[in-house]
Amino acid sequence: AQKITQTQPGMFVQEKEAVTLDCTYDTSDQSYGLFWYKQPSSGEMIFLIYQGSYDEQNATEGRYSLNFQKARKSANLVISASQLGDSAMYFCAMRDVRMDTGRRALTFGSGTRLQVQP
Amino acid sequence: DTGVSQNPRHKITKRGQNVTFRCDPISEHNRLYWYRQTLGQGPEFLTYFQNEAQLEKSRLLSDRFSAERPKGSFSTLEIQRTEQGDSAMYLCASSLTRGTGRRTEAFFGQGTRLTVV
Repeated sequence: AQKITQTQPGMFVQEKEAVTLDCTYDTSDQSYGLFWYKQPSSGEMIFLIYQGSYDEQNATEGRYSLNFQKARKSANLVISASQLGDSAMYFCAMRDVRMDTGRRALTFGSGTRLQVQP
Repeated sequence: DTGVSQNPRHKITKRGQNVTFRCDPISEHNRLYWYRQTLGQGPEFLTYFQNEAQLEKSRLLSDRFSAERPKGSFSTLEIQRTEQGDSAMYLCASSLTRGTGRRTEAFFGQGTRLTVV
């Protein structure tokens, strides 16, 4: 079974500073995909960044980058130049594939609440 | 296209009543998922549709829960005889079959927040 662990229930960061949100995972699959989603108070899960287990380079999407350390089974999200609008819940997730049905659901961690302070 | 749409956004119901939620996925997306998110937790997978076929149900989906996706378009999730433990955010997500990696990423709706009193 897959498991995602996010050990930081809450984080504070000053506006314009960088922040790292931790994520470790456990899987027996050789091929897997890792995601980060942002959930503002409105409730919608917003896709931020994706990392495939065989991708040679760490993923980047604008101010978001993923520090992928495969041997340590960690996939930390780095947000550079934090903005007030970044205040939200952040979830790390792993794709959970079932080949016979084609299901590609996501297994989520418990999330980290990020608060950006002016 | 405006993304995944869910209605209602909020629902308050008395214990024992039935409730139904609706999800309208992104039009070309053939895969549809329902998740449940309780306070302080990440979403948990409930059920999966490919087109109109419900191909998988999680063990979290008790007999009081039923989901449909007629004609492979919108989907409904019904909870019968609601209990206080059903209080949660119910999220719908859709994705495409084609492609690999992030191209099969799921797009989520804003969810329906259910409160059972």
